[in-house]
Amino acid sequence: DTGVSQNPRHKITKRGQNVTFRCDPISEHNRLYWYRQTLGQGPEFLTYFQNEAQLEKSRLLSDRFSAERPKGSFSTLEIQRTEQGDSAMYLCASSFSDRITNTGELFFGEGSRLTVL
Amino acid sequence: GENVEQHPSTLSVQEGDSAVIKCTYSDSASNYFPWYKQELGKRPQLIIDIRSNVGEKKDQRIAVTLNKTAKHFSLHITETQPEDSAVYFCAARGVTDSWGKLQFGAGTQVVVTP
Repeated sequence: DTGVSQNPRHKITKRGQNVTFRCDPISEHNRLYWYRQTLGQGPEFLTYFQNEAQLEKSRLLSDRFSAERPKGSFSTLEIQRTEQGDSAMYLCASSFSDRITNTGELFFGEGSRLTVL
Repeated sequence: GENVEQHPSTLSVQEGDSAVIKCTYSDSASNYFPWYKQELGKRPQLIIDIRSNVGEKKDQRIAVTLNKTAKHFSLHITETQPEDSAVYFCAARGVTDSWGKLQFGAGTQVVVTP
């Protein structure tokens, strides 16, 4: 395991369909983040997990979005009833943090690009 | 919440010259300021970061400076090379936020011409 992996890398779907993205973080990392990046913009925070607990969700994350990390390892991000405005790159990142080590370094995956037609 | 503005949006420099990118932030309590480099079609990667108790940090050809009073921080790249061409993002973390919850700037496209 050399980094954060995401799949699929590209997804084209029709409006109204559901899509699911998967993220496999670096194995010893306990924190996992989802970000969204649109063209010409920086990544925007969506949500994060510490182990299997989802600790925060952005207001950007509408009810159509749900994320899980059932065993504290991989995570899925599901978007229901997709809209054209959901078209973006969905980035996953992981990090390690404990009471002794608090590092801000996020290790990003290559992203999953969603195009909603 | 935190808001980060980044300038310029594009920067073209001759190889060997210096490049400077500036960011301002709104939350005076923010305490962590990383810079990420994203090459075309690649993942963002951390290149340097600075915490609020430090005014400057260097790593070979790159340096970051922080002015807490003015709430701005800058990335300096010296002796630019073609491989420095990429989009650079600044970010800030609020003091009450998770270490990985960052507010990013909109990015600066840096083009280094030989």
